Amino acid sequence: DIQMTQSPSSLSASVGDRVTITCRASQSLRTFLNWYQQKPGKPPNLLIYSASSLQSGVPSRFSGSGSGTDFTLTISSLQIEDFATYYCQQTYTTPYTFGQGTKLEIK
Amino acid sequence: EVQVVESGGGLVQPGRSLRLSCTSSGFTFGDYAMSWVRQAPGKGLEWVGFIRSKPHGGTTEYAASVTGRFTILRDDSKSIVYLHMNSLKTDDTAVYYCSRAPRYSIGWLGGYFMDVWGKGTTVTVSS
Repeated sequence: DIQMTQSPSSLSASVGDRVTITCRASQSLRTFLNWYQQKPGKPPNLLIYSASSLQSGVPSRFSGSGSGTDFTLTISSLQIEDFATYYCQQTYTTPYTFGQGTKLEIK
Repeated sequence: EVQVVESGGGLVQPGRSLRLSCTSSGFTFGDYAMSWVRQAPGKGLEWVGFIRSKPHGGTTEYAASVTGRFTILRDDSKSIVYLHMNSLKTDDTAVYYCSRAPRYSIGWLGGYFMDVWGKGTTVTVSS
């Protein structure tokens, strides 16, 4: 199985900050990498698919990059509603594994 | 409105079976793969499995933790996908989410993402 490792596991930041979350795969995924946001008690929400494609309706402050084994999710200017947990997921090969999550908290 | 709604969760004893349903509306169900993802209390997301659309074979894939115990089926005439869970263990306790899984291609390879999620249904396995 492909192992997905996110860093950091948790992060404190302030409104207006630029934040980057990293996801590393145990083998190449090409660009078959998705990012999700999840708030407590809610289902995940798709932000980015195919490493860098912004899902319809997602604010443009979210962006994704990377290919192969190293990927990043960047939030250009944090808003209050962005404080949540973020997950990467590979869909290069089954099982479609998730990273362990990155919890973004208010500083 | 495009939506998926899970049902069928509840309290079940270890070793017993349970069937979850996911009813879809607002889109052409048969055109999409459908996926199940679960989240144990206080834990991260775990992909359970998915079923491809009939045009892409209608085949299923599962996580190792559920292979041989869980089965995903689809009824395109009713726009429903099912998750049959047998030989349940306490570790299967989780919120189970159903999601639509559009397919995209990069060259000759295909990938999926999960773009429409239900609110989840809770399964508790306990004696």
